Amino acid sequence: NAGVTQTPKFQVLKTGQSMTLQCAQDMNHNSMYWYRQDPGMGLRLIYYSASEGTTDKGEVPNGYNVSRLNKREFSLRLESAAPSQTSVYFCASSGRLAGGLEQYFGPGTRLTVT
Amino acid sequence: ELKVEQNPLFLSMQEGKNYTIYCNYSTTSDRLYWYRQDPGKSLESLFVLLSNGAVKQEGRLMASLDTKARLSTLHITAAVHDLSATYFCAVDKGGSEKLVFGKGTKLTVNP
Repeated sequence: NAGVTQTPKFQVLKTGQSMTLQCAQDMNHNSMYWYRQDPGMGLRLIYYSASEGTTDKGEVPNGYNVSRLNKREFSLRLESAAPSQTSVYFCASSGRLAGGLEQYFGPGTRLTVT
Repeated sequence: ELKVEQNPLFLSMQEGKNYTIYCNYSTTSDRLYWYRQDPGKSLESLFVLLSNGAVKQEGRLMASLDTKARLSTLHITAAVHDLSATYFCAVDKGGSEKLVFGKGTKLTVNP
C-alpha cells in the first residue's frame, strides 16, 4: 500500500516550458487535490476533483490545468511555466472516516522555474 | 469566505517548557484538523477534531476544539527537540470535501 505517490520529485524548467506532474493513490478515494506551498503562505488549493471526470478550481488555478484520468490518477499541467510557479506541489487524496475528512499527502514535487 | 489564522507563526522555545498554538477560523465548522510537517517532507495527520469540546492527546501534544469560539488549540507539554516542525491547522469547509489551511506555525525547540 503506497498511499499517494507523485512524480517527479524535483524539476527545473525554463520560462515558457510545459510539464505535467503526475499523482496516483491506491486508497480507493474519490477526492483528490493539488496544492502549492510557498514560504509563509501555507498550503493553497489549486484544483480539486470530487470524482473521476469532475474537476473544480481552487484558490489559485491560473496557469494550471488538471486531468482526472481515472479514480487513481490526477495530473497537474503547467502549459507555459512562469517563475511565479516556482513552488512545492503536493497532491492529496481524501476519504470520509467517522464524519471527518482524512486527507493523505504525497511526498511533493519541488519545481523551480528559471 | 472561510479564513483560518494561526498564531504565532514562529515559535522558539526551550526544552521542557510548555506552550500553546492557536488556530482561529472565521465561519462555523465542527471539524478541525492538525498536521505536522518536518523540513523538506510532506504533511502528516496529527489530530482530527469532530465536535465541540473534542480533545485529543498524543504524547506531549494535546489538541482541543471550541466551535462556539471558533478556536482550536495545540498545547505542547515539556517540549523536546523532536517536536521541532511546522504545525498546520485546517478547517473543513462544510458541505464540500475541501480543507482550508492556516499558514502554519514553525516550532523550534532548543536544548
